[in-house]
Amino acid sequence: KAGVTQTPRYLIKTRGQQVTLSCSPISGHRSVSWYQQTPGQGLQFLFEYFSETQRNKGNFPGRFSGRQFSNSRSEMNVSTLELGDSALYLCASTEYNEQFFGPGTRLTVL
Amino acid sequence: DQQVKQNSPSLSVQEGRISILNCDYTNSMFDYFLWYKKYPAEGPTFLISISSIKDKNEDGRFTVFLNKSAKHLSLHIVPSQPGDSAVYFCAASPKSFSGNTGKLIFGQGTTLQVKP
Repeated sequence: KAGVTQTPRYLIKTRGQQVTLSCSPISGHRSVSWYQQTPGQGLQFLFEYFSETQRNKGNFPGRFSGRQFSNSRSEMNVSTLELGDSALYLCASTEYNEQFFGPGTRLTVL
Repeated sequence: DQQVKQNSPSLSVQEGRISILNCDYTNSMFDYFLWYKKYPAEGPTFLISISSIKDKNEDGRFTVFLNKSAKHLSLHIVPSQPGDSAVYFCAASPKSFSGNTGKLIFGQGTTLQVKP
């Protein structure tokens, strides 16, 4: 099976812009989770989607949103970007309690 | 509120010796624990996991021990190899009424360096 794929791998945006990141889970996995990794805060849970519904949400502002499509692919959107949003954004798909991560999207906000 | 803690930011061991990475947690609702290995600019790679109903799980050179009363888990790597040098994260999954979900709480990570 192919692994979790994320696009794009790198992004550079400026403050105030918005960005959309995409994730395709492992075939057959219905749960997709998103995480933000920063040097100061480590890996932090953003939200999880299961069967097109948000099942869990972390402690992030409403500027961070997501959705999942019927084929389980997921997108994450960040509006009104801030410098502090610069991070590695990781997507993971879950099967039997085990999460498998994609390579991440490195977002730089200037 | 750091619910999962890895108190050692770094660890250095000699090739062939044992590496022991530790993790503590505070939430008794966690019932599934995982260890991941991560290289810079890559996603974490799943290593090994353990359910709260067990106290040990072994997979090749990797063994995870869980002490529920102490809310402590550890990852043992024997023998350590230079290729094991990476950041190791422990993670915990909270129990929910519908079973475990896709939410993991991660520790801050421990950087392991295995010297040849």
